[in-house]
Formats: sequence, structure tokens, C-alpha cells
Amino acid sequence: GIQVEQSPPDLILQEGANSTLRCNFSDSVNNLQWFHQNPWGQLINLFYIPSGTKQNGRLSATTVATERYSLLYISSSQTTDSGVYFCAVDMGRLYFGRGTQLTVWP
Amino acid sequence: EAQVTQNPRYLITVTGKKLTVTCSQNMNHEYMSWYRQDPGLGLRQIYYSMNVEVTDKGDVPEGYKVSRKEKRNFPLILESPSPNQTSLYFCASSQIGSYNEQFFGPGTRLTVL
Repeated sequence: GIQVEQSPPDLILQEGANSTLRCNFSDSVNNLQWFHQNPWGQLINLFYIPSGTKQNGRLSATTVATERYSLLYISSSQTTDSGVYFCAVDMGRLYFGRGTQLTVWP
Repeated sequence: EAQVTQNPRYLITVTGKKLTVTCSQNMNHEYMSWYRQDPGLGLRQIYYSMNVEVTDKGDVPEGYKVSRKEKRNFPLILESPSPNQTSLYFCASSQIGSYNEQFFGPGTRLTVL
């Protein structure tokens, strides 16, 4: 089956720093989603981005489908950005990566 | 408000005692699915349904049952829970098709003693 790999597995930042999270996938996909799982366990849709670039406030995402990767950018990070970030690719159903655990310190 | 709801949100039970986790969506979505999340493994699909009375196995279906008698509801049934089914469970829904975003419920944290 398709392989979805996220990096880095863990990331620790100080408030105000910028970061880039990466998602590589092994096959062509129909679409790709980024999620944030907050410390209470809830999954929040960040981006639905099969290709191109989208921005939402301090967050943006870019998917280059032909090269099989997607990037999530977080600028001026805040403590509320802490949690686990998942990418998931759609091959008729969603396949998730194992996530990046982000910790932002004040 | 468009949403996916799950109940209960938290459940502690004992081995062998049948339980049902309900899932309901108000977006008229055809596709619904269940995932479990375990530390270090991400989310894995248990079962999915393309429409009423149409269900199929995901990656980890053993020990689970589902039914889809109505479009809006997709309950997850554990006939005889075991401790290895202790996990965080998510229900999700979407429109059918190649370019449709999936929406997730708030999660159900299950502990089987």
C-alpha cells in the first residue's frame, strides 16, 4: 500500500519561531489533507490541498503532487499551536502519516 | 452547524461487555468511516461505508462490527471488547468522489480493563 512519511517526528520551538513540516508519499494521490490534533485529542482540519498553495493566517501549505510531497508552514508559532500534525492522503480512502509532535514553549 | 458527533466521548468498560459507539453526521454525506488511533501508529481505518447498507473492511477490522441502516448514522459495535481495543476512536464522513474533504468527529476514548 501507499507509504506516508512525516518529518520531523518531534519538533520543539520557542514562541515566535517559524517551522516547516514535511509529508512525503509514495504514490499519486487524489488529494491530501493536513490536520492538527490538539492536546484534548480533537482533529481539526487545517488544509485540503491536492496541489498548489493555500494560506490561512499564520499557516500555509504547499503540495507538489508530481514530486509527491507536501509542506506545512507555521509562522510566528504560538503555544496554542502545540499538538500533533498529521497529513493524510486520499487513495479512495485516507492513509495517515504517523504525525509530527510539535511543542511550542513560551 | 455542520458536524460529526460521537457518543460517548469517554468510556471505561470491562473485557467481554458488548458496547456501541454511535456516530452521526448532518451533512448528508454518503461516505462514513471509523478509525482508531494508537501511540506511534497514527490513525488506521477500521471500517467504512459508501452508502446505506454498504460497508467494507478497512485495515484493522478484527473485533469490530458496523452497520449503516440510515445515511446519517454509522455505529461501531464491539461485541466482546478486549484490552487491545483500548484506543482513541474517530468517526469521519465525506461526500463520495475523488476530491472531497473528510470531516472528523471529536473522538471517543475507550479503555477496556
